Formats: sequence, structure tokens, C-alpha cells
Amino acid sequence: EAQVTQNPRYLITVTGKKLTVTCSQNMNHEYMSWYRQDPGLGLRQIYYSMNVEVTDKGDVPEGYKVSRKEKRNFPLILESPSPNQTSLYFCASSLITGANTGELFFGEGSRLTVL
Amino acid sequence: GDSVTQMEGPVTLSEEACLTINCTYTATGYPSLFWYVQYPGEGLQLLLKATKADDKGSNKGFEATYRKETTSFHLEKGSVQVSDSAVYFCALSDRGSSASKIIFGSGTRLSIRP
Repeated sequence: EAQVTQNPRYLITVTGKKLTVTCSQNMNHEYMSWYRQDPGLGLRQIYYSMNVEVTDKGDVPEGYKVSRKEKRNFPLILESPSPNQTSLYFCASSLITGANTGELFFGEGSRLTVL
Repeated sequence: GDSVTQMEGPVTLSEEACLTINCTYTATGYPSLFWYVQYPGEGLQLLLKATKADDKGSNKGFEATYRKETTSFHLEKGSVQVSDSAVYFCALSDRGSSASKIIFGSGTRLSIRP
């Protein structure tokens, strides 16, 4: 089954404790992206990747890191989480990069709470 | 820069009512337009899309027409069901943009009463 898988789905952590949210897709997509969803703000892009070893900042990259060592995986790293990073996070992927498709496939989301 | 504006929610309707969720956009190039739906506890999924002016996207009884003259892509359904309760996002992907990314509106929460 074609899917985007995120882990963990739910996480409660404390300020400053490094964490990683994993994202994996099995569709051989080149393009992957991370979003955060906050009430009243919709979806905001954190980072995206056009291909292996190619990443770029989105609209709200501060406090986050990403890596793209393999095509299928795109982990989101919070080196020192803070309470303002409490949010619902979505990973998404797309078959075609650099082209005007817009058909993203989303994971089920990871709800992160930073105390 | 490119942007998407959609009507504020929440929207509450009775079953079998008509639905319109407004969406307008600004873009420098030639965007494709999309509606995504997020059911409770799930990720977003593509509902419908239109890639050029005057195209009509449709799926699950929902429709939206790409209106270049009014820069709009309103979502419509003639008779809503309780199962349509969800958050709806309008989005664009601009072919002329230097970055291959999708721009989302803020989302409209729709609740349907039995």
C-alpha cells in the first residue's frame, strides 16, 4: 500500500530534550516536505527536499533541522525543543519535483507537546 | 508573493444543505489549484484539482471551477452529508515559482448536523 509513515504519532517531551520525528514514504517520490499545523494558521512549511542531499528552508524553519540521506526518508529534528514548537506535524511527499502538480501525499500526523 | 485566502470558519450546515467555501488566490505565474480535505484524526488528502483556467475539478460530489478573471476557486456541493464534516484547505502550486512547493490557505472547518 502506498503511504507516508510518520513516527511517533504522539509525543510529550520537555524543553531542551532533542527529538526526531521520522518520515518514510514507499512511493519512490523525489519531493518531500514537513509542515506544522496550528489553530488559525493553517499549514506552514518548515523544510522541503527536492531530492537526496537537497534540502531547503520553508516558511518557518527556525528551531528545526532535516536531512535527506535516502530517497524514502526525511526525518525532522528538533535539537532543543521549546514550548512554541508544540504543534501537529505533517510529512508529505510528491511524485514530481520542480513541476506544477501539487498532489501531495500526507502522513497521518505527529502531535508533539513540549512542556 | 503567492497567497491563498479562504473563508473563515467554522461553517455549520444541516444535512442536505448547499455548500460553498470561498477561495481566492494571488500568483505571479500560472498556478494549478487544489482542494484538500482533512477528516478528523487524519492527514490531508487531495479532494480535487484544476490545472488551467476554466477547468472544473470534481470528486465525491464536490466541484470547483478555476476562474482566472476573478482569481477564485470556490468549493461547492449541492447536498452535504454528515460524513463531509472535515477541514477543507484551498491550495495552489505555481509553475512560475522558483520553489516547488504548495501554498495552503488557513483551512475552513465544516460541521454538518444530522
